[in-house]
Amino acid sequence: AQSVAQPEDQVNVAEGNPLTVKCTYSVSGNPYLFWYVQYPNRGLQFLLKYITGDNLVKGSYGFEAEFNKSQTSFHLKKPSALVSDSALYFCAVLNGRGNTPLVFGKGTRLSVIA
Amino acid sequence: DTEVTQTPKHLVMGMTNKKSLKCEQHMGHRAMYWYKQKAKKPPELMFVYSYEKLSINESVPSRFSPECPNSSLLNLHLHALQPEDSALYLCASSLRPLEARGHYEQYFGPGTRLTVT
Repeated sequence: AQSVAQPEDQVNVAEGNPLTVKCTYSVSGNPYLFWYVQYPNRGLQFLLKYITGDNLVKGSYGFEAEFNKSQTSFHLKKPSALVSDSALYFCAVLNGRGNTPLVFGKGTRLSVIA
Repeated sequence: DTEVTQTPKHLVMGMTNKKSLKCEQHMGHRAMYWYKQKAKKPPELMFVYSYEKLSINESVPSRFSPECPNSSLLNLHLHALQPEDSALYLCASSLRPLEARGHYEQYFGPGTRLTVT
C-alpha cells in the first residue's frame, strides 16, 4: 500500500526567504507524485507533478519540487516566499501502475510572514 | 476551460431532508470523483466514476448516493444525514480514469460546505 508523510504540521517563513515543505513517500514500484495547494474555503489546486525524467520539476506560481529516489522524498520549494503563498499544502502519490486512488499526506500549513 | 464547478457553495440541511450536490466539468475528462474533507484534514475519497460508471465506492454509507448522468455531470444525493457528515464536499475530475494506468492529475472544484443540523 502506498503512503505519504508530511512531517511538519506548520511551516513559518519570512517573506522573501526560501521555503521548503517536506514530503516523503512509500510506494511499490515507481511513484507518480503530486503537490496541491488549498487556500481557505477553496478546493485544491494542482501545482506540479513528477512522473519521470528530470528530478527537478517546475510548477505553477514559481514553485518547484525535487524528487529524490534514494531518500524517497519529494520536497516542495520556492526561492522567495510571498505572503500570498500562505495556504495548506498537500503532497500526494499514485503507484507506478496508476491504478489505485490518489493518496494524500495530512497537509502542511505554510505561513509567510511579512 | 479548465474549471470544475460545484453548486451550491453552501448548504444547510436537517437530518430528515433530501438534497443534492452538483458538479460539472467541460474539459472532456472521463473520470470524476467525490471527496469529503474535514477541517485541516486531507480529502477522503468517497466515490470514483470512470466513463460514467461507478468504479470505486470507499464503503460510503447509503445515505450518500452518487449519480453520473453524463460525462460532464456528477451528482451526490443526500438523505437522512447525520451531524458528523458536516464537511466540505469536493468534486474532482481527471482526463482518464485510474484503469487507464496513467498519471493524470485531478482538478478540483471549490467545494460545497455542508452543515447538517
